[in-house]
Amino acid sequence: LAKTTQPISMDSYEGQEVNITCSHNNIATNDYITWYQQFPSQGPRFIIQGYKTKVTNEVASLFIPADRKSSTLSLPRVSLSDTAVYYCLVGDWDTGRRALTFGSGTRLQVQP
Amino acid sequence: DVKVTQSSRYLVKRTGEKVFLECVQDMDHENMFWYRQDPGLGLRLIYFSYDVKMKEKGDIPEGYSVSREKKERFSLILESASTNQTSMYLCASRRSGQREQYFGPGTRLTVT
Repeated sequence: LAKTTQPISMDSYEGQEVNITCSHNNIATNDYITWYQQFPSQGPRFIIQGYKTKVTNEVASLFIPADRKSSTLSLPRVSLSDTAVYYCLVGDWDTGRRALTFGSGTRLQVQP
Repeated sequence: DVKVTQSSRYLVKRTGEKVFLECVQDMDHENMFWYRQDPGLGLRLIYFSYDVKMKEKGDIPEGYSVSREKKERFSLILESASTNQTSMYLCASRRSGQREQYFGPGTRLTVT
């Protein structure tokens, strides 16, 4: 599985847009990019997934450049409740026999 | 709505005890996973099961075993608990062929 690198922590203020970048230089052709969110004392929760270009849902946007060696999770107008750890994962799990590999994630702290 | 439940939120055991952690999912998912989460190390995969009675080792299987006799239930067994197994244990499930994993709330195990 491709190794990912993301910042250990980030700080922001309510109402700002937050962009968290993840590097994955060894991404393979069949790999997808997935982001999870984890609040304290809870299990991770799926946020968004993409293969290339841009993906948007009701929670976030995911930007993936043409070379796919990095990706950026964008959280529009964050609130205090977005304070969490965000994990970037890269891999191909279509076979059903592959598991996720989580790194240390990015701890986002949103201030009032 | 997918629901993954774990038998206990908090558990305290003594060194040398045999410990069972139970996980149940109600969405008929084929794949189930056990992770442990430690500060600074992110989530690490212990074992996963892609079908009933099938299992594969993850990144850190030493000291653990698993059992999957029924599709909805995946058990993690610590044959002889040790203090270095004090951790948060997270169970997850996924439908085969889909990438999103659904996590349970976690069990915080303390071994004294």
